[in-house]
Amino acid sequence: DTEVTQTPKHLVMGMTNKKSLKCEQHMGHRAMYWYKQKAKKPPELMFVYSYEKLSINESVPSRFSPECPNSSLLNLHLHALQPEDSALYLCASSQDLGLITDTQYFGPGTRLTVL
Amino acid sequence: RKEVEQDPGPFNVPEGATVAFNCTYSNSASQSFFWYRQDCRKEPKLLMSVYSSGNEDGRFTAQLNRASQYISLLIRDSKLSDSATYLCVVRYSGGSNYKLTFGKGTLLTVNP
Repeated sequence: DTEVTQTPKHLVMGMTNKKSLKCEQHMGHRAMYWYKQKAKKPPELMFVYSYEKLSINESVPSRFSPECPNSSLLNLHLHALQPEDSALYLCASSQDLGLITDTQYFGPGTRLTVL
Repeated sequence: RKEVEQDPGPFNVPEGATVAFNCTYSNSASQSFFWYRQDCRKEPKLLMSVYSSGNEDGRFTAQLNRASQYISLLIRDSKLSDSATYLCVVRYSGGSNYKLTFGKGTLLTVNP
């Protein structure tokens, strides 16, 4: 089973709202990721968690706040977003960053629209 | 030179055709290579991983040439369902460094 689940599938929010995206995997993977993808562009890495600790933050604005409550869950808290933040937000997981054979599996994404 | 560069496409081919995608990468220390396919408004799905010289899975063959820093994906007997964007992905990991770089993708349309 290589399933990563994400909720919600779609989200519309105003610029003053606070919302959260959720991601879950039960493959025993120890690395989890958030990506942002705009139309006709490849995914852009935002954050990487390894063993529940933030390992990489790709200079993401503080209006995006990741959280990893446990090894199976990854959240992305959103606050005071801008319309240009509208995109597909993808979660991914992989077994272990240290493995050469480490492979990422993506969730179906949350399509976010900021009004 | 861009970190990962793919054929810009788009590719339009008839059913049954053989199509090849090319990808070059600039970091010679890159360790792992992947091809993902992404359907419109869906997530990327892993198609193939490549760690040594190549990999074959049914109609799909991926080849790696480390000396030339080049990866290819060959699709034989293409089907309508192969229509998608194909992403070349290159991974580097060393010590505390980690980098996964995506190419811009190549759009394939297989026509009846």
